[in-house]
Amino acid sequence: NAGVTQTPKFRVLKTGQSMTLLCAQDMNHEYMYWYRQDPGMGLRLIHYSVGEGTTAKGEVPDGYNVSRLKKQNFLLGLESAAPSQTSVYFCASIASVRGYGYTFGSGTRLTVV
Amino acid sequence: GDSVTQMEGPVTLSEEAFLTINCTYTATGYPSLFWYVQYPGEGLQLLLKATKADDKGSNKGFEATYRKETTSFHLEKGSVQVSDSAVYFCALTNQGGKLIFGQGTELSVKP
Repeated sequence: NAGVTQTPKFRVLKTGQSMTLLCAQDMNHEYMYWYRQDPGMGLRLIHYSVGEGTTAKGEVPDGYNVSRLKKQNFLLGLESAAPSQTSVYFCASIASVRGYGYTFGSGTRLTVV
Repeated sequence: GDSVTQMEGPVTLSEEAFLTINCTYTATGYPSLFWYVQYPGEGLQLLLKATKADDKGSNKGFEATYRKETTSFHLEKGSVQVSDSAVYFCALTNQGGKLIFGQGTELSVKP
């Protein structure tokens, strides 16, 4: 089925550990986004990409890095995890900048202890 | 910058009650407006959208009208069901294409 796939679905990290979250889409979408969801704060944009090889900072980029080496994949990295990064992470993609037709992944629940 | 404000939850209703979730926005230009729904344990799904002033988006009995004069996009449903229990997010996109969300409103419908 076409869509956005996130891996892993759940992860527990110790403070200071690193990890990479993978987002893969098979819809040939140009734009991809990483959001974090925290109670009472909605979804906040971490980083985004407007095409293969490009990345840009969103609203809350500190502590995260991203890469878009292939059009279908958008990776989110945590180099040194902190408890403040405990959250649910969502990836999304869209075909064009007009913004309708966002497709979201099912999320990654990350706990940093 | 652009922003979205929703009424705080949780909202608890009895089945068949009328639902309104208020949403107002601040944006330059002419944003597109959306309502997304998140069922427990799942990702976000687009519920409805409106792309210009006075447009009405509708889906699954839910409606919202793009009111530029009041910068609002309130979500309504005439008769809610238990299966409508979820978190509802109002959102906008502007020329840059980034989706900006409100904080979400949790709806709980009791039988």
